[in-house]
Amino acid sequence: EAQVTQNPRYLITVTGKKLTVTCSQNMNHEYMSWYRQDPGLGLRQIYYSMNVEVTDKGDVPEGYKVSRKEKRNFPLILESPSPNQTSLYFCASSSRGGSWNEQFFGPGTRLTVL
Amino acid sequence: SQQGEEDPQALSIQEGENATMNCSYKTSINNLQWYRQNSGRGLVHLILIRSNEREKHSGRLRVTLDTSKKSSSLLITASRAADTASYFCATASDTGGSYIPTFGRGTSLIVHP
Repeated sequence: EAQVTQNPRYLITVTGKKLTVTCSQNMNHEYMSWYRQDPGLGLRQIYYSMNVEVTDKGDVPEGYKVSRKEKRNFPLILESPSPNQTSLYFCASSSRGGSWNEQFFGPGTRLTVL
Repeated sequence: SQQGEEDPQALSIQEGENATMNCSYKTSINNLQWYRQNSGRGLVHLILIRSNEREKHSGRLRVTLDTSKKSSSLLITASRAADTASYFCATASDTGGSYIPTFGRGTSLIVHP
């Protein structure tokens, strides 16, 4: 089944404790991205990757890191989480094919930073 | 940069009625997409309309695009309680070969049985 998976689905942590949220897709998609969703603000892109070893900042990259060592995986790293990073996070992927195509979203990771 | 903006923010209707939500954007686009999100879940792609298309249908969904007004509308006909969800428009423009999508804040639709 074609899908995007994220882990963990729920995470409660404390300020300053490094964490990683994993994202994996099985559709051989080139494009992957991370979003955060906050009430009243919609989805905002954090980072995106056009292909392996190619990453770039989205609208709200501060406090986050990503890596794209393999095509299927795109982990989101919070080196020193803070309470303002409490949010619902989504990973998404899509094929390129010369145009922006539909994105497939993961189920989301609800993060709480105390 | 929030480009797409949906209107209204919230919509409450009875089952069987039609639901119309609108999306406005600011800069030129390659295509516009509509997504649906059930509470706390991931977004699901509904329909894509390209910049050279004016109207597209998919089942009970009808999407229009007016590039001169930089706006799009999503019509759901004969709504059902199961259509209750948030609906987002997303736009993408070509920035040097990179397609940076932006999502609006969404329209929250409640369909009462």
